[in-house]
Amino acid sequence: DAGVIQSPRHEVTEMGQEVTLRCKPISGHDYLFWYRQTMMRGLELLIYFNNNVPIDDSGMPEDRFSAKMPNASFSTLKIQPSEPRDSAVYFCASSLRDGRNQPQHFGDGTRLSIL
Amino acid sequence: QQQVKQSPQSLIVQKGGISIINCAYENTAFDYFPWYQQFPGKGPALLIAIRPDVSEKKEGRFTISFNKSAKQFSLHIMDSQPGDSATYFCAAADNYGQNFVFGPGTRLSVLP
Repeated sequence: DAGVIQSPRHEVTEMGQEVTLRCKPISGHDYLFWYRQTMMRGLELLIYFNNNVPIDDSGMPEDRFSAKMPNASFSTLKIQPSEPRDSAVYFCASSLRDGRNQPQHFGDGTRLSIL
Repeated sequence: QQQVKQSPQSLIVQKGGISIINCAYENTAFDYFPWYQQFPGKGPALLIAIRPDVSEKKEGRFTISFNKSAKQFSLHIMDSQPGDSATYFCAAADNYGQNFVFGPGTRLSVLP
């Protein structure tokens, strides 16, 4: 069974450019999460979706960040314009909620470097 | 109140020793406490989880101890192995398991 798939694995771009990170959740999972991981701040929840609908985006740092989930098998996290302080590893995770606290399954992340 | 505190920040243990990582929380609405293990270049993966209706859960060499009154929980790794070297995150979630809060992580190094 395929896990959560993220692309690209690495992204290096210059500040001011638009960056799009992609995620394919595990089939059948109805929750999708975007996290950012840095040495200074650890794992931060940015936004999560339930059945393709954004539920909580309070962790999105600025208006430069946006996330979409057009269907159950695809989500994007976009940064426009990007800044050096956005450099981090971005993780996507999905879970199946059946009322019994299901684990989140993480992808291997996208390492983003903004020059 | 949403924070989960975790200590130590880093831990070095000899092979065969016991690794202990501690976490504490404030929000009494939390009722699901998972531990995640992360290897370099990989995403976190669920290791073991506990609910507050039990005080201990064991899976192989990994044990979670839970103290509801103190709002603390800990991970014990018995007979620690070099392959256990990773970063460990405790987390807490509310009734529906979706409001996840992660601790800052503990980097464990097990020396051969």
